[in-house]
Amino acid sequence: AQSVTQPDIHITVSEGASLELRCNYSYGATPYLFWYVQSPGQGLQLLLKYFSGDTLVQGIKGFEAEFKRSQSSFNLRKPSVHWSDAAEYFCAVGARGTSYGKLTFGQGTILTVHP
Amino acid sequence: DAGVTQSPTHLIKTRGQQVTLRCSPKSGHDTVSWYQQALGQGPQFIFQYYEEEERQRGNFPDRFSGHQFPNYSSELNVNALLLGDSALYLCASSKTGDSYEQYFGPGTRLTVT
Repeated sequence: AQSVTQPDIHITVSEGASLELRCNYSYGATPYLFWYVQSPGQGLQLLLKYFSGDTLVQGIKGFEAEFKRSQSSFNLRKPSVHWSDAAEYFCAVGARGTSYGKLTFGQGTILTVHP
Repeated sequence: DAGVTQSPTHLIKTRGQQVTLRCSPKSGHDTVSWYQQALGQGPQFIFQYYEEEERQRGNFPDRFSGHQFPNYSSELNVNALLLGDSALYLCASSKTGDSYEQYFGPGTRLTVT
């Protein structure tokens, strides 16, 4: 069974600073990989996904993530954080084959942005 | 185009009671998945419905059951509520053949007292 680890429970950055949120997964092959964002009281919004091909994927709101097979990682990055990026971020994996879209999520990383 | 909608927004129930949560998928979607998100945790997969049948299930007891209607909307039922069932319940919809393009609703916050 697949699993996801987000080592950082809470990260604080200053507005305009760069950001990297870590995600490590455990799966027997290359999974499908996702990053979602959740604002307080809201559902989940997909930021970006990796299925195959180029290991650097671009998403919405200026986010990008890089799949590194050797490190079983899929870290999320943003070069310059805006105050509106404050939210909780979830990394998720999906199994290839006949899993029909079942997602396994990490515990999340809460991002606080200081002005 | 309305996205995924869920009702009610909030719900308070007493231990031992039963609850029904509802979800309407995004237009054009035929598959509905349910997730439980406890406070401070990531969402956990409960089950998925397609063609009015449960297609796969996560590690949840039989107290959790569901239904999908011909119009693709879905219900999540929880019997014999426990305090530990307090959580945000999220519904996600997708299209067959595009299972990982999931759209999430805003969730239903269930509090069990």
